[in-house]
Amino acid sequence: EDQVTQSPEALRLQEGESSSLNCSYTVSGLRGLFWYRQDPGKGPEFLFTLYSAGEEKEKERLKATLTKKESFLHITAPKPEDSATYLCAVQARGSQGNLIFGKGTKLSVKP
Amino acid sequence: DTGVSQNPRHKITKRGQNVTFRCDPISEHNRLYWYRQTLGQGPEFLTYFQNEAQLEKSRLLSDRFSAERPKGSFSTLEIQRTEQGDSAMYLCASSPGQGAFETQYFGPGTRLLVL
Repeated sequence: EDQVTQSPEALRLQEGESSSLNCSYTVSGLRGLFWYRQDPGKGPEFLFTLYSAGEEKEKERLKATLTKKESFLHITAPKPEDSATYLCAVQARGSQGNLIFGKGTKLSVKP
Repeated sequence: DTGVSQNPRHKITKRGQNVTFRCDPISEHNRLYWYRQTLGQGPEFLTYFQNEAQLEKSRLLSDRFSAERPKGSFSTLEIQRTEQGDSAMYLCASSPGQGAFETQYFGPGTRLLVL
C-alpha cells in the first residue's frame, strides 16, 4: 500500500536554529513528490516539486532534497513567520492525479 | 491572477441535512480535485475531474457524496444526509491538465461542522 510518513510530528525551534523535516515514502513507482505549507484554517500552499533522486530545490530559507526513499526539507535560520504545518505528498505512477499526503510536521519558531 | 476559490468558507449544519459546496478553479485549469482533511491529518483524495468528466473516485466517497462539474468550469460537492463523521475541511485543488504530473494548487477550503 502506498504510504507517506512524516517526522517529527511537531518541532519547536528558536529563531535562527536550523533543522530538517523528514518525509519517507513507500509507493509503487514514484512519479513525483510535493512539499506544501499550511497555515491554520487555510489551504495548503505549494512550495516545491521534486521528480527524481538527487534533485534539490531552494526557496528563501527552505531547501528540499529527494532520495529514492525519502525527502528532506531543510530550514536554515528560521524566522517566526516560518511557523506552519509542512505537508509532504507523493503521486504514484499509474495514478491519474490523486496525491497521497503525510500527516505533516507542525513547526513552531520562537523569537 | 486569482487562485482557487471555495464557497462557503464555513458551514454548520444539523445531522441529516444536505449541504453543497462550490469550487471555482484557476482560470483555464482543466483538472479539478476534491480532498477532505480532518484535524491532525493530511488531506485525503476524494475525486478528480478532467474538464467535465469525473475520472477517479476514492473509496472514501460514499453513496451520500456526489460531485459534479457540468461545464468543465466550477465544481460542486454535495453531501446528503450528513453525519457527524463528515465534519472536516473540504479542499479543492486545480491543475492545468497538460501533463501526467502537475502541481495542484489548493483553495482555502470549506470547513464543515455537523452537529
